[in-house]
Amino acid sequence: QVHLEQSGAEVKQPGASLKVSCKASGYTFSSYGISWVRQAPGQGLEWMGWISVYNGKTKSAQKFQGRVTMTTDTSTTTAYMELGSLRSDDTAVYYCARWGWNDPFDYWGQGTLVTVSS
Amino acid sequence: DIQMTQSPSSLSASVGDRVTITCRASQGISNYLAWYQQKPGKVPRLLIYAASTLQSGVPSRFSGSGSGTDFTLTISSLQPEDVATYYCQKYNSAPIIFGQGTRLEIK
Repeated sequence: QVHLEQSGAEVKQPGASLKVSCKASGYTFSSYGISWVRQAPGQGLEWMGWISVYNGKTKSAQKFQGRVTMTTDTSTTTAYMELGSLRSDDTAVYYCARWGWNDPFDYWGQGTLVTVSS
Repeated sequence: DIQMTQSPSSLSASVGDRVTITCRASQGISNYLAWYQQKPGKVPRLLIYAASTLQSGVPSRFSGSGSGTDFTLTISSLQPEDVATYYCQKYNSAPIIFGQGTRLEIK
């Protein structure tokens, strides 16, 4: 069965960088992409960007351009999302989700809580 | 960018009631519209995609309709386990946009 396992919770200082991993199993990793979504405390869902595992192409929301880097490692079927220059308002749960072109997000990781605080 | 506006933002209804949530896109998105359910402290769950196709395993009391700019999610007979926040999402192209959510409670 399809499963996305994310890395554990983190506490970061303002100005630091964050790297969240998302290990996929149960399907052909290269046949789908991965999208990243975050949810600040008490707030809604916010799409951050996607990466095509097949060709490595990425697209990010304008808000995160220049600050987010998405990569994949096909040898370990793991996707990574790195967010730099962290601020307190980056405190959120970060989710990975399986993504296909013109497809909804049918499987999600369990979420990674990131707290940005000095 | 396209905006997705849900209404109402919150809703209280009784068990057995028919509940309808609407989602309006600022531009036409054909039927590239999904609905997600998120229970408190849980991961979002895909309920409906392509505006009206029920995801496998989702109870048949959930249904979706619409095309273009106006969409609805209907729960035909509200159950206690349906307490959650519901989000619409347009997914046909970047940027992917979620509605702001509708919080559903039991009266």
